[in-house]
Amino acid sequence: QVQLVESGGGVVQPGGSLRLSCAASGFTFSSYSLHWVRQSPGKGLEWVAEISYDGSKKYYAESVKGRITIARDNSKNTLYLQMNSLRPEDTAVYYCAREAGSHDTSGYPDYWGQGTLVAVSS
Amino acid sequence: QVVLTQSPSASASLGASVKLTCTLISGHSSYAIAWHQFQPEKGPRFLMKVNSDGSHIKGDGTPDRFSGSSSGTERYLIISSLQSEDEADYYCQTWATGIDWVFGGGTRLTVL
Repeated sequence: QVQLVESGGGVVQPGGSLRLSCAASGFTFSSYSLHWVRQSPGKGLEWVAEISYDGSKKYYAESVKGRITIARDNSKNTLYLQMNSLRPEDTAVYYCAREAGSHDTSGYPDYWGQGTLVAVSS
Repeated sequence: QVVLTQSPSASASLGASVKLTCTLISGHSSYAIAWHQFQPEKGPRFLMKVNSDGSHIKGDGTPDRFSGSSSGTERYLIISSLQSEDEADYYCQTWATGIDWVFGGGTRLTVL
């Protein structure tokens, strides 16, 4: 079955860096666009970034542009989120999600990971 | 700008039915949306995509008790025969060309 497992979260000081990973299994990883979505404590969901199935296209929310980089390694079935210059407002649970439809942009996620917590605090 | 509005909370009794509403901003009645369930201590789960004509496509494992419908700018998630495990946060989400994923504020469902 499809599984997405995030890791790499933790506590980091403002200005610090962190790299999140999302290990995928149960489907042809290289055929799907992938996303990161975050949820701040007690708040709603915010889309963060997207990468196309082949890694050629990347998109970012304005709130993270220039500080966060999405990447993937199709040989390792793994998605990454490199987070630099972290701010307290980046504190959130970060979820990876698979976009429905192989080689397509359906517009919605059909599978989610369980999330990893990033806390930015001094 | 695409905006989705959800009531912050809803409640219904065990075994009853409940209808959750997601309202698209005026002028966006053609947009499809997706419903997602966030259960405590569990990862999120995609429930279904609901089109503007009310047709819907369920996710793998979405119980038959869950269904969707549409009316104008409103998209609905109907849960029948409520069970205790249905107590969760429910988010609607949409998309458009040039706009990545947009989420509603979520509805917390309490099963009484």
